[in-house]
Amino acid sequence: GEDVEQSLFLSVREGDSSVINCTYTDSSSTYLYWYKQEPGAGLQLLTYIFSNMDMKQDQRLTVLLNKKDKHLSLRIADTQTGDSAIYFCAESIAGYGQNFVFGPGTRLSVLP
Amino acid sequence: NAGVTQTPKFQVLKTGQSMTLQCAQDMNHNSMYWYRQDPGMGLRLIYYSASEGTTDKGEVPNGYNVSRLNKREFSLRLESAAPSQTSVYFCASSEGGGDRPMRYTFGSGTRLTVV
Repeated sequence: GEDVEQSLFLSVREGDSSVINCTYTDSSSTYLYWYKQEPGAGLQLLTYIFSNMDMKQDQRLTVLLNKKDKHLSLRIADTQTGDSAIYFCAESIAGYGQNFVFGPGTRLSVLP
Repeated sequence: NAGVTQTPKFQVLKTGQSMTLQCAQDMNHNSMYWYRQDPGMGLRLIYYSASEGTTDKGEVPNGYNVSRLNKREFSLRLESAAPSQTSVYFCASSEGGGDRPMRYTFGSGTRLTVV
């Protein structure tokens, strides 16, 4: 079955880089996603990567995908206090209808 | 530009009471979902509706029922609330899928406490 795992907590200092890691089990995933949840709010799509890519960059965000190891990471450069949130890794699997699996989320705390 | 609207935002129920959580989206999405979020467990799918007139069970459907009233609205009903249903509930809708990325839009959540 499908499963997505993440560490639950990460603390970084303001201005440092943050790296949030995720592992998934289903090699047939077509896309992998990062969602961000700010306090008291729903999840918002941050970025996604197609499974035949190994890197995607979008301003301060870099997504790395190692398909062989089923490992996905999100790097946030120059982390700011406004980046404090819960970050969810997720995968969608083509042909499985609505099968979209979220990880447990990593709570990022940015210290001044 | 409302996106997904959920009501209520907060609710306290006594064990055995019933209630309906309302959800509406204005993006003309076919698919809608109800998730629950519990600490350390991420989001778990309760029910989803791939299109108007259809609903299907997700990972944790027991104790819940849903109605896809029309394309815009998807409600979640707790017939007899239990303390184990204390959670934050999110409604979402999506576009894409198949060979395209799925883009979910989430509501802001309903924090439900069952005492």
